[in-house]
Amino acid sequence: EVQLVESGGGLVQPGRSLRLSCRASGFIFDDYVMHWIRQVPGKGLEWVSSINSITGSIGYVDSVKGRFTISRDNAKKSLYLQMNSLRAEDMALYYCGKGTGSSSAIDSWGQGTLVIVSA
Amino acid sequence: QSALTQPRSVSGSPGQSVTISCTGTNSDVGLYNYVSWYQQHPGKAPKLMIYDVNKRPSGVPARFSGSKSANTASLTISGLQTEDEADYYCCSYAGSYTYVFGTGTKVTVL
Repeated sequence: EVQLVESGGGLVQPGRSLRLSCRASGFIFDDYVMHWIRQVPGKGLEWVSSINSITGSIGYVDSVKGRFTISRDNAKKSLYLQMNSLRAEDMALYYCGKGTGSSSAIDSWGQGTLVIVSA
Repeated sequence: QSALTQPRSVSGSPGQSVTISCTGTNSDVGLYNYVSWYQQHPGKAPKLMIYDVNKRPSGVPARFSGSKSANTASLTISGLQTEDEADYYCCSYAGSYTYVFGTGTKVTVL
């Protein structure tokens, strides 16, 4: 059974940094694209970033470019999101997602970790 | 990277069919056959319902189907059931390893 468990969320002041982690199990982590998606409570989903360990390809939504960095440690089966220069608009529930093998969809999701940006 | 456009809400009675549209551009929905749909119940993580425009993952009921024409993708729920009441989001690959979600649609079963 695929399991994705996010951690690292919490309360942080504007301008500060936070590092999110996602621990994966139940599948061959190295073989799949991994994603970060966020959702402001009561609002819609927003794709944030993805990383392909096979090709090394990385993508970001424009609003986080230059501030967020996605990375992964295949040996630890873990995905990370380093978030710097946090803004109020980054406040959201951050989900970790597993990509499908041959498609671009996200077939498994964690339960999310909440990031609150407030002074 | 503008969000794909979906209707805010659709509704139908049990047994009826509803269709949710997802309008993008010729840089995302219109260019790639990589449209997926997600169902989200309140307080829960999203669940993949359709991928690659019209493919259903194992375990997703056959009453869920997807299609695409030009820059608009659609999700149809045939034979609406009470448990289908949820929020639905489309998502498209947008090139350069980026993706974009739709604005979301609330489906209400009357």
